[in-house]
Amino acid sequence: AQSVTQLGSHVSVSEGALVLLRCNYSSSVPPYLFWYVQYPNQGLQLLLKYTSAATLVKGINGFEAEFKKSETSFHLTKPSAHMSDAAEYFCAVRERGNQGGKLIFGQGTELSVKP
Amino acid sequence: NAGVTQTPKFQVLKTGQSMTLQCAQDMNHEYMSWYRQDPGMGLRLIHYSVGAGITDQGEVPNGYNVSRSTTEDFPLRLLSAAPSQTSVYFCASSPRTSGGGIGETQYFGPGTRLLVL
Repeated sequence: AQSVTQLGSHVSVSEGALVLLRCNYSSSVPPYLFWYVQYPNQGLQLLLKYTSAATLVKGINGFEAEFKKSETSFHLTKPSAHMSDAAEYFCAVRERGNQGGKLIFGQGTELSVKP
Repeated sequence: NAGVTQTPKFQVLKTGQSMTLQCAQDMNHEYMSWYRQDPGMGLRLIHYSVGAGITDQGEVPNGYNVSRSTTEDFPLRLLSAAPSQTSVYFCASSPRTSGGGIGETQYFGPGTRLLVL
């Protein structure tokens, strides 16, 4: 069965510092991969997705993620953190093919940004 | 388009009560799903539907029922609420691609916060 692991339930960075949120998946076939962001008391918003085109995927708000098949990873990065990036981030995986579109989510990483 | 809407936003129930969480989308999406979100556990799939009249169980279906009589609506029913069902519930929808498969991206509603006493 597919699974997603996010390393670190809490990550704290200073404003202007690099943001790195880690995500590893387990799957025999490279799946679709997603990063979602959830701001306090709101629903989930798609940041970016990997669907087998370019391995470096650019998303909204300056975030990007790189798919590395050899490492089964899809880490999320942003060169310079902003206070408005403080939120919870979820990595998710979906099997290819018509499997009902089920998303498997990681546990989430809460990002805090210090001034 | 309103996107995915959920009602109510917040609900308090007593143990044993039943209720229905409403979810509607106006994007003509075929795929709809229900997740619950609990601290430290991410989102877990409760039930999903690949089209009107078709539903299936997800990871944590016990204590919940669904039906899909129209493309637009996908209500989630709690048969006899338990404190363990205290959670935030999210509904999501996704379109079918031109190739016939389920679209890659899911669109989430704003959530319903449920407290069971």
